[in-house]
Amino acid sequence: EDQVTQSPEALRLQEGESSSLNCSYTVSGLRGLFWYRQDPGKGPEFLFTLYSAGEEKEKERLKATLTKKESFLHITAPKPEDSATYLCAVRSGNKLVFGAGTILRVKS
Amino acid sequence: DAGVIQSPRHEVTEMGQEVTLRCKPISGHDYLFWYRQTMMRGLELLIYFNNNVPIDDSGMPEDRFSAKMPNASFSTLKIQPSEPRDSAVYFCASRARDRGGYTFGSGTRLTVV
Repeated sequence: EDQVTQSPEALRLQEGESSSLNCSYTVSGLRGLFWYRQDPGKGPEFLFTLYSAGEEKEKERLKATLTKKESFLHITAPKPEDSATYLCAVRSGNKLVFGAGTILRVKS
Repeated sequence: DAGVIQSPRHEVTEMGQEVTLRCKPISGHDYLFWYRQTMMRGLELLIYFNNNVPIDDSGMPEDRFSAKMPNASFSTLKIQPSEPRDSAVYFCASRARDRGGYTFGSGTRLTVV
């Protein structure tokens, strides 16, 4: 069964304090690993798709990496506006299977 | 591009009533997905369509739930009769072909009292 586990469940950082979020997955035939950001009361907003081990993608203060078993979302020098829930999902067939998410709070 | 459009944004209804949620996908997207999000279970896929045809409805919780896609620009998710445990945020998402990203709507927050 396809499964996605995210850790930690919640993370509190001071502004400028870099850290990483983890996404571990098991899937039969990975067809993409996705990272989304979700703000309260809104739908998930697409950040990155990674397709193969060793691949990396960056956007502003965020960098996503992928291995054969997990993905990391690195946040460098975060700002309060980076506070959100970050969701990881794997594509299995045509479906996205989501993890429970990591709630990130960045305090100034 | 207006993105994926869902209506209504909020719905409050009484137990036993019929509820219809609506979704307009991004023009040109071949796939449409209905997800449900709750605190306990996170985001769960209910059903998805390809070229207006339902492909996988294994996530639909009960026969009280039904979904249709009469054309490429419109889909509905209906709950009849509604129950308090159906309270959740329902998201619609669409996707173009093979390596495309999945774009989500803003969701419908359903409260059944």
